Amino acid sequence: EPEVTQTPSHQVTQMGQEVILRCVPISNHLYFYWYRQILGQKVEFLVSFYNNEISEKSEIFDDQFSVERPDGSNFTLKIRSTKLEDSAMYFCASIGREGRDTQYFGPGTRLTVL
Amino acid sequence: GIQVEQSPPDLILQEGANSTLRCNFSDSVNNLQWFHQNPWGQLINLFYIPSGTKQNGRLSATTVATERYSLLYISSSQTTDSGVYFCAPNTNAGKSTFGDGTTLTVKP
Repeated sequence: EPEVTQTPSHQVTQMGQEVILRCVPISNHLYFYWYRQILGQKVEFLVSFYNNEISEKSEIFDDQFSVERPDGSNFTLKIRSTKLEDSAMYFCASIGREGRDTQYFGPGTRLTVL
Repeated sequence: GIQVEQSPPDLILQEGANSTLRCNFSDSVNNLQWFHQNPWGQLINLFYIPSGTKQNGRLSATTVATERYSLLYISSSQTTDSGVYFCAPNTNAGKSTFGDGTTLTVKP
């Protein structure tokens, strides 16, 4: 069974600091996504990425957020200046064929902003 | 965007009982997935089911895309089935829209 991996599993940071969350999608997948889940709430879409550019983003994904695929394997989410309300579980996901295949989710990174 | 409603929001069962979880969605979808979120927060994919019926052990799922709903059946429930179950339809945009989830508690 193919899997998406994410690092770190848990990150604690001080408010105002920059964080980078890392994901390694499944190797032959073409479409990549970030979602977040605030504790006790549902999973929310942040951004989708295809062909080295953002294809869709939600209103949550403001100027403090950015995504990058720096090489052929990694997919990163950067938060420039973290706020307390950024504390959440962040999930990376990937699909081989957009909307027509299983979307595989990583195990998540729990971000705690103090 | 697409609206997703899951019911019931909470469900408490005795071990061995059967249950049905429902997911209604407001728009046409390319596919739909059911997830179980375990106590560590991981999303475990249960089914990829854009239409029809699938079974995997004690779990089965049915999606009637024309009527915009999906059902997840859990038979002979076990305490390890406890957790939150999410339905997530996926549209042309490729993104998944999650429902609020059903929190299942199975008591021994």
